[in-house]
Amino acid sequence: DQQVKQNSPSLSVQEGRISILNCDYTNSMFDYFLWYKKYPAEGPTFLISISSIKDKNEDGRFTVFLNKSAKHLSLHIVPSQPGDSAVYFCAANDGGTSYGKLTFGQGTILTVHP
Amino acid sequence: NAGVTQTPKFQVLKTGQSMTLQCAQDMNHEYMSWYRQDPGMGLRLIHYSVGAGITDQGEVPNGYNVSRSTTEDFPLRLLSAAPSQTSVYFCASILNHQNPSTEAFFGQGTRLTVV
Repeated sequence: DQQVKQNSPSLSVQEGRISILNCDYTNSMFDYFLWYKKYPAEGPTFLISISSIKDKNEDGRFTVFLNKSAKHLSLHIVPSQPGDSAVYFCAANDGGTSYGKLTFGQGTILTVHP
Repeated sequence: NAGVTQTPKFQVLKTGQSMTLQCAQDMNHEYMSWYRQDPGMGLRLIHYSVGAGITDQGEVPNGYNVSRSTTEDFPLRLLSAAPSQTSVYFCASILNHQNPSTEAFFGQGTRLTVV
């Protein structure tokens, strides 16, 4: 049973516009959420994270929003650039024995057209 | 900076063969883990280690063994390869696994095909 879901397999956006990637989760014990970005033939790299006690975290062009009551988070990229084209994974952890144990979503392929 | 290094990058195995995927990190990270990535499934945790001599199972451990004799190395062993183990495998390391915001550093992956 997938505890973290990214229901949009792909997203296509024009350069300069906003990209919004969505993620839903079912486990109420998750208390930290992270976004990773992955280029072909490379490993994922960390992008941005948010604690469950916050509803927004911003880092440059990237903003993550968390709606705990809806168990939903989203990643906004403004403005989108062709170099942002990649697979984006939403991930979550719940502490327990280790915050290193990440639960990932299926990923969303973002394509930014020039 | 080497970061997390995985070898080999590609491997083809026959059903029933065994092999070891190598993972090494030079950042003195205490936590290391192995994930597999399959289409439509995201990354799933196979095994993890919170320090030398300590390992534990993740979400999909069956068919895999690990050991952690040093801080730097965390090899993943396939005991008897099956076609269901065809996947892309990623090794990751984390400096402080007790810090929820600490980022994971991933290797470039090993693409394994079992025929």
